[in-house]
Amino acid sequence: QQQVKQSPQSLIVQKGGISIINCAYENTAFDYFPWYQQFPGKGPALLIAIRPDVSEKKEGRFTISFNKSAKQFSLHIMDSQPGDSATYFCAAGGSNYKLTFGKGTLLTVNP
Amino acid sequence: GAVVSQHPSRVICKSGTSVKIECRSLDFQATTMFWYRQFPKKSLMLMATSNEGSKATYEQGVEKDKFLINHASLTLSTLTVTSAHPEDSSFYICSATGTSYGYTFGSGTRLTVV
Repeated sequence: QQQVKQSPQSLIVQKGGISIINCAYENTAFDYFPWYQQFPGKGPALLIAIRPDVSEKKEGRFTISFNKSAKQFSLHIMDSQPGDSATYFCAAGGSNYKLTFGKGTLLTVNP
Repeated sequence: GAVVSQHPSRVICKSGTSVKIECRSLDFQATTMFWYRQFPKKSLMLMATSNEGSKATYEQGVEKDKFLINHASLTLSTLTVTSAHPEDSSFYICSATGTSYGYTFGSGTRLTVV
């Protein structure tokens, strides 16, 4: 019930393309859904987060789409750039403040 | 924005010695701090949750006597890896959250036990 399933495991996109990463959760008590970007040897950095009272949130080139009934959420990276190449983690949190992480997606954006 | 400083970024120690990793919230009071371990190309594994002034809560399978966590103030938590062995080599990451709902991560510590 605490799992967060993330796909794909890896993704290769051409520069300028759209990168899409999907996550699904099981625990309906989760009420906070962040996405993190991690570069090698660094800690995760918050990209964007959403709460279940909205279906979409956009910040610059990053958009979260949230489907409460399906218990799914996704990250869209528009106009992907080589500098976006990193590992992306979705996560889900509940009122006890613990975050449950997906297994990560290694994104490679080719020039 | 909220900043969490983690130190050291890299440490190499001899087997059998202890290593302390510090995690500081620089511009907010961290009521709760989390310690994670991350293996290469893997996700973050939560080790323990600590609240200021309380004993840490460890996740199942994490040895509390090996990974000592202290959260003595609202801005500082420490993780001490005691009697380190090569299998403890890993990337350790802390995160902190304050009164607002959000998590800020430190930059991580690469521990190598030789």
